Amino acid sequence: SYELTQPPSVSVAPGQTASITCSGDKLGYKYVSWYQQKSGQSPVVIIHQDTKRPSGIPERFSGSNSGNTATLTISGTQSMDEADYYCQAWDSSTDVVFGGGTKLTVL
Amino acid sequence: EVQLLESGGGLVQPGGSLRLSCAASGFTFSTYAMSWVRQAPGKGLEWVSSISGSGGNTYYADSVKGRFTISRDNSRNTLYLQLNSLRAEDTALYYCAKVTTLDAYGDLDFDYWGQGALVTVSS
Repeated sequence: SYELTQPPSVSVAPGQTASITCSGDKLGYKYVSWYQQKSGQSPVVIIHQDTKRPSGIPERFSGSNSGNTATLTISGTQSMDEADYYCQAWDSSTDVVFGGGTKLTVL
Repeated sequence: EVQLLESGGGLVQPGGSLRLSCAASGFTFSTYAMSWVRQAPGKGLEWVSSISGSGGNTYYADSVKGRFTISRDNSRNTLYLQLNSLRAEDTALYYCAKVTTLDAYGDLDFDYWGQGALVTVSS
């Protein structure tokens, strides 16, 4: 079965750049989406098809995907960005798969 | 405005059954695949099942295959999930999610999520 691996937690100072990785076998050949889930709320898509930002998502969120790793980058991180972040892809062996999630703490 | 409203959650004993519904509005329901994604308390997201826009194709996670059934009524703009033979490990918040494509197979992602329906399996 296909798996996506994320670090459980990432910390960043306000105004700095946060990077959250998502690893999987040959992940670069798949489309990756990223979801933000704030405490007590439903997930919201912030990046889809590796690099695309839906309307209304701030430009400080960006994504990349190459090799075995996809990365969500948050530039100029704000306190409002504190949340859990999940990567997601599709594989023929497991269908939809989510990473385990990364808790972003803005110190 | 896209809205997804889940209902039908509750407390059920192990081995019991429950049916979740998701009422959709704000988009042409029949032209999009739909999915259920669950989240156990304090845990991450887990995909449960998907169904194509026509309802002709369905897909399930191994953890629920043979116990859960996804369906849709395009005339009522409603998605369903029938949960049978429930286990304690099925306890979770079940989200209804709109897929960005008509098909539920292949590269797909979710652009809208409901607020979730809580299912608690306990004696």
